[in-house]
Amino acid sequence: DAEITQSPRHKITETGRQVTLACHQTWNHNNMFWYRQDLGHGLRLIHYSYGVQDTNKGEVSDGYSVSRSNTEDLPLTLESAASSQTSVYFCASSESGVTYNEQFFGPGTRLTVL
Amino acid sequence: LAKTTQPISMDSYEGQEVNITCSHNNIATNDYITWYQQFPSQGPRFIIQGYKTKVTNEVASLFIPADRKSSTLSLPRVSLSDTAVYYCLVGDEDSSYKLIFGSGTRLLVRP
Repeated sequence: DAEITQSPRHKITETGRQVTLACHQTWNHNNMFWYRQDLGHGLRLIHYSYGVQDTNKGEVSDGYSVSRSNTEDLPLTLESAASSQTSVYFCASSESGVTYNEQFFGPGTRLTVL
Repeated sequence: LAKTTQPISMDSYEGQEVNITCSHNNIATNDYITWYQQFPSQGPRFIIQGYKTKVTNEVASLFIPADRKSSTLSLPRVSLSDTAVYYCLVGDEDSSYKLIFGSGTRLLVRP
Protein backbone atom coordinates (compact mmCIF):
# COMPACT_ATOMS: atom_id res chain seq x y z
CA ASP A 1 0.00 0.00 0.00
CA ALA A 2 1.13 3.56 -0.70
CA GLU A 3 2.16 5.55 2.33
CA ILE A 4 3.98 8.58 3.62
CA THR A 5 6.69 8.14 6.24
CA GLN A 6 8.74 10.49 8.36
CA SER A 7 12.01 9.99 10.17
CA PRO A 8 13.09 10.26 12.82
CA ARG A 9 9.88 10.12 14.85
CA HIS A 10 11.58 11.83 17.78
CA LYS A 11 14.65 14.04 17.82
CA ILE A 12 16.44 16.00 20.51
CA THR A 13 19.07 18.48 19.44
CA GLU A 14 20.93 21.49 20.72
CA THR A 15 20.59 25.13 19.80
CA GLY A 16 22.66 26.04 16.75
CA ARG A 17 22.89 22.57 15.25
CA GLN A 18 21.69 21.76 11.76
CA VAL A 19 18.88 19.22 11.68
CA THR A 20 17.26 17.44 8.74
CA LEU A 21 13.87 15.77 8.94
CA ALA A 22 13.05 13.22 6.26
CA CYS A 23 9.76 12.74 4.45
CA HIS A 24 9.16 9.96 1.94
CA GLN A 25 5.95 9.19 0.06
CA THR A 26 5.09 6.32 -2.25
CA TRP A 27 1.86 7.85 -3.56
CA ASN A 28 3.76 9.36 -6.53
CA HIS A 29 2.17 12.69 -5.62
CA ASN A 30 3.51 15.87 -7.17
CA ASN A 31 2.59 18.09 -4.21
CA MET A 32 4.40 17.85 -0.88
CA PHE A 33 4.09 20.05 2.21
CA TRP A 34 5.74 20.61 5.56
CA TYR A 35 3.77 21.90 8.57
CA ARG A 36 4.58 22.53 12.19
CA GLN A 37 2.10 22.14 15.00
CA ASP A 38 2.60 23.71 18.39
CA LEU A 39 0.80 22.53 21.48
CA GLY A 40 -2.91 23.31 21.34
CA HIS A 41 -2.79 24.92 17.93
CA GLY A 42 -3.56 24.08 14.33
CA LEU A 43 -0.94 23.39 11.68
CA ARG A 44 1.11 26.12 10.03
CA LEU A 45 2.64 25.74 6.59
CA ILE A 46 6.45 25.95 6.42
CA HIS A 47 7.39 25.03 2.84
CA TYR A 48 5.79 23.25 -0.07
CA SER A 49 6.69 21.80 -3.45
CA TYR A 50 4.70 21.11 -6.61
CA GLY A 51 7.27 18.88 -8.22
CA VAL A 52 10.94 18.09 -8.69
CA GLN A 53 13.16 21.16 -8.37
CA ASP A 54 10.20 23.29 -7.24
CA THR A 55 10.07 24.73 -3.70
CA ASN A 56 8.03 27.55 -2.18
CA LYS A 57 7.89 29.35 1.15
CA GLY A 58 4.91 29.03 3.43
CA GLU A 59 3.78 31.31 6.22
CA VAL A 60 6.51 30.33 8.72
CA SER A 61 9.54 29.56 6.52
CA ASP A 62 12.24 31.57 8.34
CA GLY A 63 15.00 29.26 9.58
CA TYR A 64 13.88 26.34 7.40
CA SER A 65 14.80 25.11 3.93
CA VAL A 66 13.70 22.26 1.65
CA SER A 67 14.94 20.68 -1.55
CA ARG A 68 13.13 18.40 -4.01
CA SER A 69 15.46 16.22 -6.04
CA ASN A 70 12.92 13.47 -6.76
CA THR A 71 9.18 12.90 -6.54
CA GLU A 72 9.26 10.78 -3.39
CA ASP A 73 11.25 12.90 -0.94
CA LEU A 74 11.08 16.39 0.57
CA PRO A 75 13.61 16.75 3.40
CA LEU A 76 13.20 19.70 5.77
CA THR A 77 16.38 21.31 7.11
CA LEU A 78 16.68 23.57 10.11
CA GLU A 79 19.80 25.55 9.33
CA SER A 80 20.59 26.49 12.93
CA ALA A 81 18.09 25.05 15.36
CA ALA A 82 16.47 27.42 17.87
CA SER A 83 14.35 26.66 20.93
CA SER A 84 11.41 28.33 19.18
CA GLN A 85 11.53 25.51 16.63
CA THR A 86 10.61 22.92 19.23
CA SER A 87 7.43 21.52 17.73
CA VAL A 88 5.80 18.57 16.02
CA TYR A 89 6.47 18.51 12.29
CA PHE A 90 4.12 16.94 9.77
CA CYS A 91 4.79 16.16 6.16
CA ALA A 92 1.92 15.76 3.69
CA SER A 93 1.37 15.06 0.02
CA SER A 94 -1.46 15.51 -2.45
CA GLU A 95 -2.28 14.77 -6.03
CA SER A 96 -2.56 17.57 -8.55
CA GLY A 97 -5.82 18.24 -10.30
CA VAL A 98 -8.02 15.92 -8.26
CA THR A 99 -9.70 16.58 -4.90
CA TYR A 100 -8.36 20.02 -4.19
CA ASN A 101 -8.01 19.86 -0.45
CA GLU A 102 -7.22 16.20 0.25
CA GLN A 103 -3.76 15.82 1.67
CA PHE A 104 -2.24 12.67 3.12
CA PHE A 105 -0.24 13.26 6.27
CA GLY A 106 2.70 11.43 7.77
CA PRO A 107 2.88 10.35 11.42
CA GLY A 108 4.89 13.40 12.48
CA THR A 109 8.32 14.11 13.98
CA ARG A 110 8.55 15.49 17.49
CA LEU A 111 11.57 17.81 17.63
CA THR A 112 12.97 19.23 20.85
CA VAL A 113 15.65 21.92 20.71
CA LEU A 114 17.50 22.39 23.98
CA LEU B 1 -8.07 32.04 1.50
CA ALA B 2 -11.35 32.35 3.36
CA LYS B 3 -11.18 32.36 7.13
CA THR B 4 -13.21 29.87 9.12
CA THR B 5 -14.71 30.03 12.60
CA GLN B 6 -15.73 26.96 14.58
CA PRO B 7 -16.39 26.19 18.25
CA ILE B 8 -13.32 25.54 20.36
CA SER B 9 -14.74 22.44 21.99
CA MET B 10 -17.79 20.19 22.18
CA ASP B 11 -18.85 17.37 24.47
CA SER B 12 -21.05 14.42 23.55
CA TYR B 13 -21.95 10.92 24.67
CA GLU B 14 -21.55 7.62 22.92
CA GLY B 15 -24.33 6.86 20.48
CA GLN B 16 -25.35 10.48 19.96
CA GLU B 17 -25.23 12.39 16.71
CA VAL B 18 -22.74 15.26 16.76
CA ASN B 19 -23.03 18.33 14.56
CA ILE B 20 -20.10 20.73 14.29
CA THR B 21 -20.81 23.97 12.50
CA CYS B 22 -18.21 26.07 10.74
CA SER B 23 -18.69 29.67 9.64
CA HIS B 24 -16.97 30.91 6.47
CA ASN B 25 -18.62 34.20 5.59
CA ASN B 26 -16.03 35.16 2.98
CA ILE B 27 -16.10 31.93 1.02
CA ALA B 28 -15.32 32.44 -2.66
CA THR B 29 -17.30 31.07 -5.56
CA ASN B 30 -14.76 28.38 -6.38
CA ASP B 31 -13.95 27.35 -2.80
CA TYR B 32 -14.57 23.82 -1.59
CA ILE B 33 -15.27 23.03 2.06
CA THR B 34 -13.16 20.30 3.61
CA TRP B 35 -13.05 18.68 7.04
CA TYR B 36 -10.12 16.93 8.66
CA GLN B 37 -9.88 14.83 11.82
CA GLN B 38 -6.80 14.67 14.02
CA PHE B 39 -6.16 12.19 16.82
CA PRO B 40 -3.50 12.91 19.45
CA SER B 41 0.03 12.28 18.21
CA GLN B 42 -1.15 11.67 14.64
CA GLY B 43 -1.34 13.71 11.46
CA PRO B 44 -4.71 15.05 10.30
CA ARG B 45 -6.89 12.77 8.22
CA PHE B 46 -9.23 13.87 5.45
CA ILE B 47 -12.88 13.17 6.33
CA ILE B 48 -15.11 14.78 3.74
CA GLN B 49 -15.30 17.54 1.17
CA GLY B 50 -18.19 19.31 -0.52
CA TYR B 51 -19.20 22.31 -2.57
CA LYS B 52 -22.95 22.64 -1.99
CA THR B 53 -26.03 20.85 -0.58
CA LYS B 54 -25.23 17.55 1.08
CA VAL B 55 -22.39 15.07 0.82
CA THR B 56 -22.30 11.74 2.62
CA ASN B 57 -19.65 9.08 2.91
CA GLU B 58 -19.10 6.10 5.20
CA VAL B 59 -17.79 8.32 7.98
CA ALA B 60 -19.80 11.54 8.01
CA SER B 61 -22.20 13.88 6.29
CA LEU B 62 -21.57 17.45 5.28
CA PHE B 63 -24.45 19.91 5.01
CA ILE B 64 -23.95 23.14 3.09
CA PRO B 65 -26.77 25.71 2.82
CA ALA B 66 -27.47 27.58 -0.38
CA ASP B 67 -25.51 30.70 0.62
CA ARG B 68 -22.48 28.52 1.54
CA LYS B 69 -21.52 30.86 4.37
CA SER B 70 -21.50 28.00 6.82
CA SER B 71 -21.29 24.22 6.82
CA THR B 72 -22.10 21.47 9.30
CA LEU B 73 -20.18 18.27 9.79
CA SER B 74 -22.47 15.54 11.11
CA LEU B 75 -21.07 12.45 12.82
CA PRO B 76 -23.75 9.81 13.35
CA ARG B 77 -23.76 7.76 16.55
CA VAL B 78 -20.33 8.75 17.82
CA SER B 79 -18.13 6.38 19.79
CA LEU B 80 -15.25 7.01 22.18
CA SER B 81 -12.86 6.65 19.25
CA ASP B 82 -14.33 9.76 17.63
CA THR B 83 -12.71 11.89 20.32
CA ALA B 84 -10.42 14.10 18.25
CA VAL B 85 -9.89 17.60 16.90
CA TYR B 86 -11.93 18.47 13.81
CA TYR B 87 -10.77 21.13 11.38
CA CYS B 88 -12.87 22.99 8.83
CA LEU B 89 -11.02 24.46 5.84
CA VAL B 90 -12.03 26.23 2.65
CA GLY B 91 -10.01 26.60 -0.53
CA ASP B 92 -9.87 25.85 -4.21
CA GLU B 93 -7.40 25.17 -6.97
CA ASP B 94 -6.42 28.82 -6.97
CA SER B 95 -5.08 28.34 -3.46
CA SER B 96 -2.59 26.03 -5.09
CA TYR B 97 -3.53 23.07 -2.91
CA LYS B 98 -2.34 24.86 0.22
CA LEU B 99 -4.33 24.35 3.39
CA ILE B 100 -4.86 26.89 6.16
CA PHE B 101 -5.67 25.24 9.48
CA GLY B 102 -7.38 27.09 12.29
CA SER B 103 -7.47 25.85 15.87
CA GLY B 104 -10.23 23.32 15.17
CA THR B 105 -12.97 21.93 17.39
CA ARG B 106 -11.95 19.56 20.14
CA LEU B 107 -14.65 16.89 20.43
CA LEU B 108 -14.80 14.81 23.59
CA VAL B 109 -17.04 11.75 23.52
CA ARG B 110 -17.95 10.44 26.95
CA PRO B 111 -19.16 6.93 27.83
